[in-house]
Amino acid sequence: SQQGEEDPQALSIQEGENATMNCSYKTSINNLQWYRQNSGRGLVHLILIRSNEREKHSGRLRVTLDTSKKSSSLLITASRAADTASYFCASYYTGRRALTFGSGTRLQVQP
Amino acid sequence: GAVVSQHPSWVICKSGTSVKIECRSLDFQATTMFWYRQFPKQSLMLMATSNEGSKATYEQGVEKDKFLINHASLTLSTLTVTSAHPEDSSFYICSARRRGLAGNEQFFGPGTRLTVL
Repeated sequence: SQQGEEDPQALSIQEGENATMNCSYKTSINNLQWYRQNSGRGLVHLILIRSNEREKHSGRLRVTLDTSKKSSSLLITASRAADTASYFCASYYTGRRALTFGSGTRLQVQP
Repeated sequence: GAVVSQHPSWVICKSGTSVKIECRSLDFQATTMFWYRQFPKQSLMLMATSNEGSKATYEQGVEKDKFLINHASLTLSTLTVTSAHPEDSSFYICSARRRGLAGNEQFFGPGTRLTVL
C-alpha cells in the first residue's frame, strides 16, 4: 500500500520558475526521503530529512517537514528542462523494513 | 557508494513463459532485498521482502507461486515471473539494504522492464 498522497499529480511550468510538490503521509516516521525518476528509468535519491528537522537544503532543492500535519514539501528553485521527471516521497512505516512510496508528482519543465 | 545492478534491463517474452530477473549488490552485502513493481504513470508498490537464506515475505495480494523469489547469497536475489501474462508487463525494481548499516538505507537498482506479448 502507499504511504500517502502527493499533490499535484502533475505540474507543468516554464524553465526558471519554481516547482513545489507536496507529500502527505499517514503514520509516524523517523525520516522522509525524496526521489526522482526519469521516464522509464531507475530512482535517484535526492534528499533525506529526519523527523527532528524542519527544513533542509541541497543545491536548488529545499525540503520541509511538518510532523504535526504529517506533510512534507519539495521545492525546486530556478527549474531547468532537465528537472523534468517524476518525484516521489518515501518513508518507513513503523515496523516496516521497506520504503513505502507516495503517489508521485510528474513535473514537466518547458524550455 | 553502494551499487545495485539488475539484469536484464529489459525483456520481452511470450505469454506463458517464465522470466528471471537478477538483482545484485555489487560492493556490499545485503541481508535484505526488496522487490517493487511499477505500472506506467504509477508509483512503486512493494511486492515482497527477500531475506538471505530464508523464505521471502510477500505483500498482500501478491501471488507467491507466481512471483518466485530466491535470495541465495548476500549479494544476489532473483525474481522469477512464472507463466507470465500481458498483465504482468511492468517495471520491476529491486533494492538492497546494506548489512551492518545502522538505521534504514536502501539502494535501488536501475529496474527491469518486462513486456509480455
